[in-house]
Amino acid sequence: GENVEQHPSTLSVQEGDSAVIKCTYSDSASNYFPWYKQELGKRPQLIIDIRSNVGEKKDQRIAVTLNKTAKHFSLHITETQPEDSAVYFCAASNMNTGFQKLVFGTGTRLLVSP
Amino acid sequence: DTAVSQTPKYLVTQMGNDKSIKCEQNLGHDTMYWYKQDSKKFLKIMFSYNNKELIINETVPNRFSPKSPDKAHLNLHINSLELGDSAVYFCASSQRNAGNEQFFGPGTRLTVL
Repeated sequence: GENVEQHPSTLSVQEGDSAVIKCTYSDSASNYFPWYKQELGKRPQLIIDIRSNVGEKKDQRIAVTLNKTAKHFSLHITETQPEDSAVYFCAASNMNTGFQKLVFGTGTRLLVSP
Repeated sequence: DTAVSQTPKYLVTQMGNDKSIKCEQNLGHDTMYWYKQDSKKFLKIMFSYNNKELIINETVPNRFSPKSPDKAHLNLHINSLELGDSAVYFCASSQRNAGNEQFFGPGTRLTVL
């Protein structure tokens, strides 16, 4: 089955810096890669996703890149703000199975200091 | 107007008891999920139902039994609770073939003493 590894487990940056979180996946059939943000005590919420037919996707300060050959994808946050502090999860899924089984990475705790 | 709701929010109980967690979504989605998030924040799928049919059943002890009376509801019953069952349980929903976003409920923090 799919296995998703995520690094780093914790990331501390200064406000205004960029943050990069990296994930690798094992199943070459995976073709959908969402990123979820979970604030302390809250539910995970989707912030951006990418499908395997695209190499990069951007939404304001966040972007995701995908390298299918190497089986890795990354989340990039620019101009970080204190409200970006949260745990971020990557996930992978094979949408061709007809149902969505998300396999999550182990999470990255991002701390943005003012 | 909450999209995915769960009850209760907190559940504290003794080992050996049986308890249930309820989930409802008003998004009109056809697929619902149960996830377990342990103390290290690992988020792992347990079950998924599509139109009341079980489609994902991960390696979960038989003490856990999901039930979907209709496609807007997915409940989780746990028998003979153990200390290791302590976790936050999240319900989620999505619509097959209409984008892929899973919408999560607020979570139920289960503490087994």
